[in-house]
Amino acid sequence: GAGVSQTPSNKVTEKGKYVELRCDPISGHTALYWYRQSLGQGPEFLIYFQGTGAADDSGLPNDRFFAVRPEGSVSTLKIQRTERGDSAVYLCASSPGTANDYGYTFGSGTRLTVV
Amino acid sequence: DQQVKQNSPSLSVQEGRISILNCDYTNSMFDYFLWYKKYPAEGPTFLISISSIKDKNEDGRFTVFLNKSAKHLSLHIVPSQPGDSAVYFCAASGSGTYKYIFGTGTRLKVLA
Repeated sequence: GAGVSQTPSNKVTEKGKYVELRCDPISGHTALYWYRQSLGQGPEFLIYFQGTGAADDSGLPNDRFFAVRPEGSVSTLKIQRTERGDSAVYLCASSPGTANDYGYTFGSGTRLTVV
Repeated sequence: DQQVKQNSPSLSVQEGRISILNCDYTNSMFDYFLWYKKYPAEGPTFLISISSIKDKNEDGRFTVFLNKSAKHLSLHIVPSQPGDSAVYFCAASGSGTYKYIFGTGTRLKVLA
């Protein structure tokens, strides 16, 4: 597709459950990012992939969060034992290289609600 | 510690007038700055960027000004249009990095 696609657009889950959020970046974009946006806040960096490898996962809040990008294209963000504080919009973005000159292209996000 | 601050949570401007959105940062190592616009239920959309070697960058109705000594940047929209009504985020990073720190956003409302 022409843009970054994220599925599902909305996810409601019970506390303690496991969830997977999917991101399809723009074709050919080698860099992929996950951000999280809580209500009233700006996007907060979680993890950055260059190709298949996680180049920087310093933003992942704890070991319940994990992300993969096995073939250098689609990425999955995995959250184990979800907590109510994990409720947020999870944004995926991609870029052809470093984002300095032209920014990222974001998807529409997955709104995760943990009840 | 909020490294990128947008101290005005909201701004209302009459159609046709200038909108000025402000952003302050604390980290002197930041030297790339981006502005994004976000409509409800959509992801942020890249608007304009500026690097620290410049003090101004212009793209159509949008101009970003950077004052490094004051650690301040601003986005000017002239003339403002109702379709510009959205939340605007500034973001900053260090040279050669990919990790942007975002501000909390300013909600702009352009009144027809």
